[in-house]
Amino acid sequence: GAVVSQHPSWVICKSGTSVKIECRSLDFQATTMFWYRQFPKQSLMLMATSNEGSKATYEQGVEKDKFLINHASLTLSTLTVTSAHPEDSSFYICSTGQGAREQFFGPGTRLTVL
Amino acid sequence: KQEVTQIPAALSVPEGENLVLNCSFTDSAIYNLQWFRQDPGKGLTSLLLIQSSQREQTSGRLNASLDKSSGRSTLYIAASQPGDSATYLCAVPETSGSRLTFGEGTQLTVNP
Repeated sequence: GAVVSQHPSWVICKSGTSVKIECRSLDFQATTMFWYRQFPKQSLMLMATSNEGSKATYEQGVEKDKFLINHASLTLSTLTVTSAHPEDSSFYICSTGQGAREQFFGPGTRLTVL
Repeated sequence: KQEVTQIPAALSVPEGENLVLNCSFTDSAIYNLQWFRQDPGKGLTSLLLIQSSQREQTSGRLNASLDKSSGRSTLYIAASQPGDSATYLCAVPETSGSRLTFGEGTQLTVNP
């Protein structure tokens, strides 16, 4: 299966700063990547669909100007949390796959905003 | 809109027991169903993927079944071990575009 990496694995930042999270598909050309968010003791919620070479599609209630997504190549998608606040503290996970086949997930990034 | 439900939310069993985790979904027009394992603070590990045309899949001590018509899947774990302790999630793609809808998960604790 596809190997997906994320960087960083964890990050702590001050309120008001921006944080960039990278999601890389190491052995798979990912035209589409998905970004999920998971709060403690909750399941994963889809935030947005990242499309290579075009704009991302955001889920209802997710602010596109706050969560900037860039998918400039077939192996890299980035999620930037702008002007982060403590309520943005969460576990962010990306995934990719081919069509309706198996999805492969990155190891996740733990964001803590002080 | 697809909704996925998992029962029970938490389960604690002694080592060696066989157990069943349940997953139900509201829209039976699914392409596949995937079971994942998540350890605390970690990402997801794919356990089993069942295609819509299949009725079950097996991997080691794990067996997953799928009944599309009733909107249900079960994950059977045989001879449970403390190392099986984790949260188990089931997920289905909403459309052929493969964005997944997850259940809330079952937190499993296997006591030595």
